[in-house]
Amino acid sequence: QKEVEQNSGPLSVPEGAIASLNCTYSDRGSQSFFWYRQYSGKSPELIMFIYSNGDKEDGRFTAQLNKASQYVSLLIRDSQPSDSATYLCAVNTPRNFNKFYFGSGTKLNVKP
Amino acid sequence: NAGVTQTPKFQVLKTGQSMTLQCAQDMNHNSMYWYRQDPGMGLRLIYYSASEGTTDKGEVPNGYNVSRLNKREFSLRLESAAPSQTSVYFCASSSTGGTGELFFGEGSRLTVL
Repeated sequence: QKEVEQNSGPLSVPEGAIASLNCTYSDRGSQSFFWYRQYSGKSPELIMFIYSNGDKEDGRFTAQLNKASQYVSLLIRDSQPSDSATYLCAVNTPRNFNKFYFGSGTKLNVKP
Repeated sequence: NAGVTQTPKFQVLKTGQSMTLQCAQDMNHNSMYWYRQDPGMGLRLIYYSASEGTTDKGEVPNGYNVSRLNKREFSLRLESAAPSQTSVYFCASSSTGGTGELFFGEGSRLTVL
């Protein structure tokens, strides 16, 4: 079983819609959760991190964490064509705090 | 502020050749990492270094060696390249504590023929 699972997509949404990206993880002891955005041919860049159960909002982005269900999601409101990219979920655990496990990524297409 | 710098950006090797990927960071980070990225596979950890003088295996270490030369530099060596090592390699660094954010280099695209 992979540490982190994501639907590879592609997920297509129209411009202005809400895009919902999901991620599940296997280690119940995981404590730190990250969403990275990666444009084609570029390196990943951090867009959100979350440590506590619940929601965390930053502009058009909201990260949601449910540790009981071992589930973390990213909502992108008012999606723009510039949001078209691959979104990578990453998880970090105390027992291996230096190891960040990544999902395979979800490709998002925002259609004008 | 350069951040994380990787060299070379592109390399073509023949099977059995050796090469070293170089990585340097100027953010005074303790931890450094080497990942590989293959289509549909996300990022897989090859090796990491929690601090100067220490290294440890990640998910896919076979066929690779690393050296943490000092706090700034972390190199990845392929002793005898194989076609299965064709990939994009990313070096990253992070600080101990803080948000845990990984800062990535621009990537090195390696092709083994």
